[in-house]
Amino acid sequence: SQTIHQWPATLVQPVGSPLSLECTVEGTSNPNLYWYRQAAGRGLQLLFYSVGIGQISSEVPQNLSASRPQDRQFILSSKKLLLSDSGFYLCAWSVRRIEGYTFGSGTRLTVV
Amino acid sequence: QKEVEQNSGPLSVPEGAIASLNCTYSDRVSQSFFWYRQYSGKSPELIMSIYSNGDKEDGRFTAQLNKASQYVSLLIRDSQPSDSATYLCAVNDNYGQNFVFGPGTRLSVLP
Repeated sequence: SQTIHQWPATLVQPVGSPLSLECTVEGTSNPNLYWYRQAAGRGLQLLFYSVGIGQISSEVPQNLSASRPQDRQFILSSKKLLLSDSGFYLCAWSVRRIEGYTFGSGTRLTVV
Repeated sequence: QKEVEQNSGPLSVPEGAIASLNCTYSDRVSQSFFWYRQYSGKSPELIMSIYSNGDKEDGRFTAQLNKASQYVSLLIRDSQPSDSATYLCAVNDNYGQNFVFGPGTRLSVLP
């Protein structure tokens, strides 16, 4: 069966520090991968999506970047975090869009 | 810009009652519709999908779709306190690579 792993679960980082969040999917090939952010009390904001290795589409201009070095690995990065980067970061995957997404357990990031 | 709207709530219903959650969307070419449940502090989980006009039932959950009115709803029968969560509506047009999520409706089922 397919599973999605996301880590770490929680993270507290100072302003200006770098960020690296990792997401891996098991049990499927060539998934579509997504990074979402959910600020406190807000809806889900799509940050990046990828349909294959090295293919990244950005939905929102910001100081974040994403990479997909392997078929089932998706990484969210930042060189310098801002206070406004705090939120709940969710990785998701799908094979067929008609079937919907499956989300990982999320990373709660607090920038202090 | 595709938009998905939901009443933010909170929607409070007594235990055993029917909870009705509503969602409207702006993009007429939308073809796939989903309901996610998100418990506080947790990630969303998919509970229902619907693609055709009409009703789709799964246990205590019924999704209703009316494409002419650009309206999708979720009914929860015999509501339980464990149904207390935020319910997110999501819409995909099958042409884009991603979904648009509504802001979610917070449901509280009172014992």
